[in-house]
Amino acid sequence: AQSVTQLGSHVSVSEGALVLLRCNYSSSVPPYLFWYVQYPNQGLQLLLKYTSAATLVKGINGFEAEFKKSETSFHLTKPSAHMSDAAEYFCAVIVNNDMRFGAGTRLTVKP
Amino acid sequence: KAGVTQTPRYLIKTRGQQVTLSCSPISGHRSVSWYQQTPGQGLQFLFEYFSETQRNKGNFPGRFSGRQFSNSRSEMNVSTLELGDSALYLCASSYQGAVEGYTFGSGTRLTVV
Repeated sequence: AQSVTQLGSHVSVSEGALVLLRCNYSSSVPPYLFWYVQYPNQGLQLLLKYTSAATLVKGINGFEAEFKKSETSFHLTKPSAHMSDAAEYFCAVIVNNDMRFGAGTRLTVKP
Repeated sequence: KAGVTQTPRYLIKTRGQQVTLSCSPISGHRSVSWYQQTPGQGLQFLFEYFSETQRNKGNFPGRFSGRQFSNSRSEMNVSTLELGDSALYLCASSYQGAVEGYTFGSGTRLTVV
């Protein structure tokens, strides 16, 4: 069955530093992949999605993700972290027409 | 346009009681899915409704049920509440289904005491 694994439950970066959040998927067919962000006491907000149109996907708030089939990865990056990026991030994949989520990575941004 | 609206935002219930949560999707969206979010289990899929029919179901006991009305609004019911049902319940909608990407509501925080 398709699933996603997020490496690192907590990531801490300094403001202005590169953000890298890791996601690996298991799939025998090209998957639909997503990244969501969740701020405290809120629902999830879609950052970006991969639907096989392009391997480099640009999302909102300066985030982007690159689909690498050879590595079965879909890591999320942002060149320069901002304090407002502190949140929990979820990678997700479509399984049997439903969206299944990874365990999440909590991003802390230090001043 | 209005987003996904979930009511109520917070609920406190006693073990053994039942509860109904409501979700109004974005206008025009026909697919509504429900998720349970807990610190221990993360985000778990409950079920999806599309045009008033349950299209998919996760691995939850029969105490968890739902329905969708002709205006696409959805309700979720949990009967005989247990302490472990304490969670954030999230509703998400899309026009046709998950592959488009969901828009989520802010959730209903249920506490069972």
